[in-house]
Amino acid sequence: QVHLVESGGGLVKPGGSLRLSCAASGFTFRNYYMNWIRQAPGKGLEWLAYISYSSTYTNYADSVKGRFTVSRDDAGNSLYLDMTSLTAEDTAIYYCARQPDYSNSYFDHWGQGTLLTVSS
Amino acid sequence: DVQMTQSPSSLSASVGDRVTITCRASDSINRFLNWYQQKPGTAPKLLIYAASTLHGGVPSRFSGSGSGTDFTLTINGLQLEDFATYYCEQSFFVPRTFGQGTKVEMK
Repeated sequence: QVHLVESGGGLVKPGGSLRLSCAASGFTFRNYYMNWIRQAPGKGLEWLAYISYSSTYTNYADSVKGRFTVSRDDAGNSLYLDMTSLTAEDTAIYYCARQPDYSNSYFDHWGQGTLLTVSS
Repeated sequence: DVQMTQSPSSLSASVGDRVTITCRASDSINRFLNWYQQKPGTAPKLLIYAASTLHGGVPSRFSGSGSGTDFTLTINGLQLEDFATYYCEQSFFVPRTFGQGTKVEMK
């Protein structure tokens, strides 16, 4: 059974940094693209980044480009999101989501999310 | 970026009703359109991908159609567990973009 569990959220001051993690189980992690998607409180969904298998390709939304970095550890079945220069606008629930591959471009499994609050 | 516009933003319906939600893309996305369902306090779940393919385990009362810029999600015979917010998402262009959501509420 596919299982994605995010962790690392919390309260961070503006300008701060944080690393989010996503632990994957129940499938062959290295064979899948992985994504980060966030949802501000009471708002809609915003795609942030993807990373291909073998970490060959990454891509980012303009809102986080240059501040956030997505990475993966296939041996440890983990996905990461390193976030810097955080602002209040980054306050959201952060989800990791699995994508079968570049062609089958949908998010077929999501984690439960981890909440990041950026506030002084 | 491709803008995805859903209508309506919310609707009220009763159990057994037929519900239709539309999603319009600001540019042609072929059939690279996905639908998700989200209930309060939980992560979104994939319902339909590639405009009309039902994800595994999704009840057949859900269906999707469309191509190019105009898409539709239909629920035939709304059930109690279907009251939720629905999002469309295009996967033709990067960045991936979502509609603003359609909340289906009980009448």
